[in-house]
Amino acid sequence: NAGVTQTPKFQVLKTGQSMTLQCAQDMNHEYMSWYRQDPGMGLRLIHYSVGAGITDQGEVPNGYNVSRSTTEDFPLRLLSAAPSQTSVYFCASSYGVQGDYGYTFGSGTRLTVV
Amino acid sequence: GESVGLHLPTLSVQEGDNSIINCAYSNSASDYFIWYKQESGKGPQFIIDIRSNMDKRQGQRVTVLLNKTVKHLSLQIAATQPGDSAVYFCAWGDDYKLSFGAGTTVTVRA
Repeated sequence: NAGVTQTPKFQVLKTGQSMTLQCAQDMNHEYMSWYRQDPGMGLRLIHYSVGAGITDQGEVPNGYNVSRSTTEDFPLRLLSAAPSQTSVYFCASSYGVQGDYGYTFGSGTRLTVV
Repeated sequence: GESVGLHLPTLSVQEGDNSIINCAYSNSASDYFIWYKQESGKGPQFIIDIRSNMDKRQGQRVTVLLNKTVKHLSLQIAATQPGDSAVYFCAWGDDYKLSFGAGTTVTVRA
C-alpha cells in the first residue's frame, strides 16, 4: 500500500513550457485534490475531483488543467509555465466520509519556473 | 480564508511541557476541521480531526478543541517531544476540499 504517489519530486521548467505532474493513489479513495504551497503560506486548493470523470476548480485554478479518467490517477497539467507557478505542489486523496484518516497527502513536487 | 505573509507564527516549547497551537478559521459553514504536521521537505501528515457537532476530541497525546462561536480551533500536545518540532497547520472545509491556515512553527528545546 503506497498511499499517494507523486512524480516527479523535483522539476525545473523554462517559462512557457508545459508539463504534467502525476498523482496516483492505491487506497480506492473517491476524492482527490491538488494544492500548492508557497513560502510562509498554507496550502491553497487548485483543483479537486469527487470521482472519475468529475472535476472542479478550487481557489487558484488559473494556468492549470486536470482530468480524472480513473479513480487512481489525477494528473495536474501546467499549460504554459510562469515564474508565479514556482511552488511546491501536493496531491491529496480522501474517502470523503468521517473517520480517523482525514486526507492523505503525497510527498510533493517542488517546481521551479525560470 | 487565505493567509498572507512570509513570517509564520512560532512557538518555542521546553521538552516535556504541554504545547497549545491556535488557529482562527474563516468559514463559519465548515463542518470538518483537521490538524496537520509538516516536517521539512515532506507532505502534511494527519494528526487529528473533528466535526462541527463536537467541541473536543482526544487522540494519543493530542487534543483538538473547537469553538464555533468565535471560529477558533486549537491543538494541545501533551509532554512535547523533540520529534514534535515541525510546522503545524489547521485546515477547515468539507469532505473533499479544504482551506488551510498559514501554519505555526513549533520548536522544542531540549
